[in-house]
Amino acid sequence: QVQLVQSGAEVKKPGASVKVSCKASGYTFTGYYMYWVRQAPGQGLEWMGWINPKNGDTEYAQKFQGRVTMTRDTSISTAYMELSRLTSDDTAMYYCARDYSPGGDYDILTGYFFPWGQGTLVTVSS
Amino acid sequence: DIQMTQSPSTLSASIGDRVTITCRASQTISRWLAWYQQKPGKAPNLLIYKASSLESGVPLRFSGSGSGTEFTLTISSLQPDDFATYYCQQYNRGYTFGQGTKLEIK
Repeated sequence: QVQLVQSGAEVKKPGASVKVSCKASGYTFTGYYMYWVRQAPGQGLEWMGWINPKNGDTEYAQKFQGRVTMTRDTSISTAYMELSRLTSDDTAMYYCARDYSPGGDYDILTGYFFPWGQGTLVTVSS
Repeated sequence: DIQMTQSPSTLSASIGDRVTITCRASQTISRWLAWYQQKPGKAPNLLIYKASSLESGVPLRFSGSGSGTEFTLTISSLQPDDFATYYCQQYNRGYTFGQGTKLEIK
């Protein structure tokens, strides 16, 4: 079945960077966009960006531009999200989530997310 | 940016109740709206897309409606498994979530 498995929890100091991985299985990795969404403790959901695993194209939310980098390794069906210059405000659960439908020949985004990874808790603390 | 506002923020209801959650967009989004259910410690799960299309496997007691700027999620008869937090999400331009509605047992 379709599954996204994320890397384990991280504890980082302010100013550091974190790189979270998301390993996909059960479908053609390069056929679907991958999104990243975060959720601060007790708060709502916040879209961070997406990557097209087929060609590496990315789009980032304005809030994270300059601090986030999304990459992928198609040989191991894994997407990555790296966030730099961490502050305590970046303490959150980070999720990867697949686009609902395949992009097809024209790389069309569907825009809603299924399935989701289990989440990776990133804690930023001195 | 398109802002999404859900109401109420918290809803107390009993088993068997019919409940409705409202989601309003700051500008028209046609029917480009999804609903998710999230339980504590778990990732969100897709319930509805394109405002009213039910995701496969989601019970028929869930339904969505609306277009433009106002949308609703209705649960026709609450079951114990439905107590969770619900989020709307627009995907007309960018991707924005509502702040969530926590559905509690009365």
